[in-house]
Amino acid sequence: NAGVTQTPKFRILKIGQSMTLQCTQDMNHNYMYWYRQDPGMGLKLIYYSVGAGITDKGEVPNGYNVSRSTTEDFPLRLELAAPSQTSVYFCASSPTTGGTTEAFFGQGTRLTVV
Amino acid sequence: AQKVTQAQTEISVVEKEDVTLDCVYETRDTTYYLFWYKQPPSGELVFLIRRNSFDEQNEISGRYSWNFQKSTSSFNFTITASQVVDSAVYFCALSAWGMDTGRRALTFGSGTRLQVQP
Repeated sequence: NAGVTQTPKFRILKIGQSMTLQCTQDMNHNYMYWYRQDPGMGLKLIYYSVGAGITDKGEVPNGYNVSRSTTEDFPLRLELAAPSQTSVYFCASSPTTGGTTEAFFGQGTRLTVV
Repeated sequence: AQKVTQAQTEISVVEKEDVTLDCVYETRDTTYYLFWYKQPPSGELVFLIRRNSFDEQNEISGRYSWNFQKSTSSFNFTITASQVVDSAVYFCALSAWGMDTGRRALTFGSGTRLQVQP
């Protein structure tokens, strides 16, 4: 079972560059999420989606964009990368909304902006 | 707004000791869900348990047990006879309806790093 797959696992970006973090899940979950985890901190919600074509902002959406054209895929776009976006990014999915059931997480993408 | 506090930043124990990880939460929602996740050194997040606000029964799963007390807004996690493989960061999380956001959200604590020494 693949579950939630994120690519790449590691990336170094220069300030001002852009990139897309890929996330795909094979569990047919409607709900998908992007979190960031800063050192020594818990996870903060960036964006989430309740189904294909529907996305909404979380706690910390500035500097990011998302799209959800299919149930399986939920890419996260960083435009004009800044050092403050250095973090570990986790994609997750769940069969029901907002944590009423457990979320399934990908292995994370460690991003460094220099 | 909801909040999860894990006051213990780091705990170090010797193998076979029992250890309790504390979690205190805040919410105005009456229907909420509490979770514990484990993040081993490899980095992924592993689901351990979910508890809803109407079920205050304690739960035991092998060496793991959870104590949910609504009166003190706590959902503590105990590992009995700890092992080196238990070394990880443990996150407590709360799913509740946000009066200010108008949606249900999952809020994580800052985590407790557990080091189990051989």
